Amino acid sequence: GAGVSQTPSNKVTEKGKYVELRCDPISGHTALYWYRQSLGQGPEFLIYFQGTGAADDSGLPNDRFFAVRPEGSVSTLKIQRTERGDSAVYLCASSPGTENTEAFFGQGTRLTVV
Amino acid sequence: DAKTTQPTSMDCAEGRAANLPCNHSTISGNEYVYWYRQIHSQGPQYIIHGLKNNETNEMASLIITEDRKSSTLILPHATLRDTAVYYCIVRVAGNSDYKLSFGAGTTVTVRA
Repeated sequence: GAGVSQTPSNKVTEKGKYVELRCDPISGHTALYWYRQSLGQGPEFLIYFQGTGAADDSGLPNDRFFAVRPEGSVSTLKIQRTERGDSAVYLCASSPGTENTEAFFGQGTRLTVV
Repeated sequence: DAKTTQPTSMDCAEGRAANLPCNHSTISGNEYVYWYRQIHSQGPQYIIHGLKNNETNEMASLIITEDRKSSTLILPHATLRDTAVYYCIVRVAGNSDYKLSFGAGTTVTVRA
């Protein structure tokens, strides 16, 4: 597809479980970002990859959250020991990685922890 | 990044121009003004960005004041599909910082 693809679109999990959220960026985009959006609020930055490396992970809330991008394309956001407060829409975006370009967002994964 | 201030909500009539204000009084010389919007249940969508000159594209126009402390996004002929949350974001230029700091945005409702 032409856009950023996120799977699954919805995920319901029990408190304490482990979840993985996947992001397929636009082909050729070197920059990839994860954001989290709680109900009624704007998206909040989590982590930014340039290629395979995490250039800025300052937004990850704690060590239960981890993200990888092993081959510089697909990225996985991993959440351990989920808590009800982790319930949110997780958004992924990608951009060409050059100066001052726009970011293209996926539709997001709605995570519900029960 | 500098903070921005936007009205919480605004209504506009279908077919009329919608003017969305944004204050960014602490903006620095190397910071751009970006606008994104988010339609319900979708990811944010880029609209336009500028440094100091006015900009126009197929979606909107961006008017930046001479002192760069405020800007206005103009949707020339609003349609019902323009109903969304609009975010004004100030971001440092260059490769070193790509993260976008979204605030609460302005909820725009276009009415028939």
